[in-house]
Amino acid sequence: GDSVTQTEGQVTVSESKSLIINCTYSATSIGYPNLFWYVRYPGEGLQLLLKVITAGQKGSSRGFEATYNKEATSFHLQKASVQESDSAVYYCALRFGYQNFYFGKGTSLTVIP
Amino acid sequence: ETAVFQTPNYHVTQVGNEVSFNCKQTLGHDTMYWYKQDSKKLLKIMFSYNNKQLIVNETVPRRFSPQSSDKAHLNLRIKSVEPEDSAVYLCASSPTTGYQDTQYFGPGTRLLVL
Repeated sequence: GDSVTQTEGQVTVSESKSLIINCTYSATSIGYPNLFWYVRYPGEGLQLLLKVITAGQKGSSRGFEATYNKEATSFHLQKASVQESDSAVYYCALRFGYQNFYFGKGTSLTVIP
Repeated sequence: ETAVFQTPNYHVTQVGNEVSFNCKQTLGHDTMYWYKQDSKKLLKIMFSYNNKQLIVNETVPRRFSPQSSDKAHLNLRIKSVEPEDSAVYLCASSPTTGYQDTQYFGPGTRLLVL
């Protein structure tokens, strides 16, 4: 089946340092999935951070970037300089068609000042 | 700004009881979903409705039943809960069933079955 594997557990980064959260996917469905990064800030619901629907393209939002690499089946999330307000739980996800929407287990980011 | 509302936030019940969760979206979307996030934090789709019609029904136990009165509401009823039903249930909506549509999630309902 389809699945998503991302950096698990907690990640702690000092403010203004760079960040990378790894995400790779495995897909048995035909075609190429749409790829997403969602974020959950403390006390809030899931919000879409960015999405890319075409292989090879890059999505960006709020200083975060992720490139859809179909050869490596990866969609790593990166930010050059994190801020304390970026502390949240980040979820990588893929979707084929309108039925299957698979999320990773989530990565909890803590940015320390 | 919250646009997908879920109630309750948290519910504790005993095995065999019936529970109902409510979801409402104010975005004017045609499509709504229910997901289950288990203890391993994987989010799996349970049901999908488009304009009050069921379009996706993944393999879930028959004790789960979705209910939609209009396209802005999609409730979830569990007839006789079991311990493995303990999880966070997330409601979401999207403009259409198109796979490129962005899904907007509610805050979730956490269910604990004793």
